[in-house]
Amino acid sequence: EAQVTQNPRYLITVTGKKLTVTCSQNMNHEYMSWYRQDPGLGLRQIYYSMNVEVTDKGDVPEGYKVSRKEKRNFPLILESPSPNQTSLYFCASSLSPQGSSYEQYFGPGTRLTVT
Amino acid sequence: GESVGLHLPTLSVQEGDNSIINCAYSNSASDYFIWYKQESGKGPQFIIDIRSNMDKRQGQRVTVLLNKTVKHLSLQIAATQPGDSAVYFCAEAVGYSTLTFGKGTMLLVSP
Repeated sequence: EAQVTQNPRYLITVTGKKLTVTCSQNMNHEYMSWYRQDPGLGLRQIYYSMNVEVTDKGDVPEGYKVSRKEKRNFPLILESPSPNQTSLYFCASSLSPQGSSYEQYFGPGTRLTVT
Repeated sequence: GESVGLHLPTLSVQEGDNSIINCAYSNSASDYFIWYKQESGKGPQFIIDIRSNMDKRQGQRVTVLLNKTVKHLSLQIAATQPGDSAVYFCAEAVGYSTLTFGKGTMLLVSP
């Protein structure tokens, strides 16, 4: 089944404790992206990657890191989480930018709480 | 947890009616526009997209209209069904890079 998976789905952590949220897709997509979703603010893009070893900042990259060493994986790293990073996080992927559609497949989401 | 549907504009329709959800976008340089549907507890799901060189595109029961003069995008859903109840987001992009989402509209369909 074609899908984007994220782990963990739920995470409660404390300020300053490094964490990684994994994202994996099995569709051989080149483009991957991370978003955070907050009530009243909608979805905001954190980072995106056009291909392996190519990453770029989105609208809200501060406090986050990403890496794209393999095509299928795009982990989101919070080196020193803070309470303002409490949010619902989504990973998404889509075909090559040369495709005719902008269809992105989203993962199920990771709800992160930082105390 | 807090619902992403809180504080959103809401459109309430009867089953079988046609629904129109509107979106104003901000960047005149945007060349891709996309509509997503998000059901409670799930990730957004792609509905339809349109390039800036088009003003209308149709899918299954959905039509997207683009008016670049006033920077307005709309999603029309024909014969709305209870399963269409969700939050709908428009998004805009310049090239294939950053994607900027609107705040969303909640669609409530009553039987």
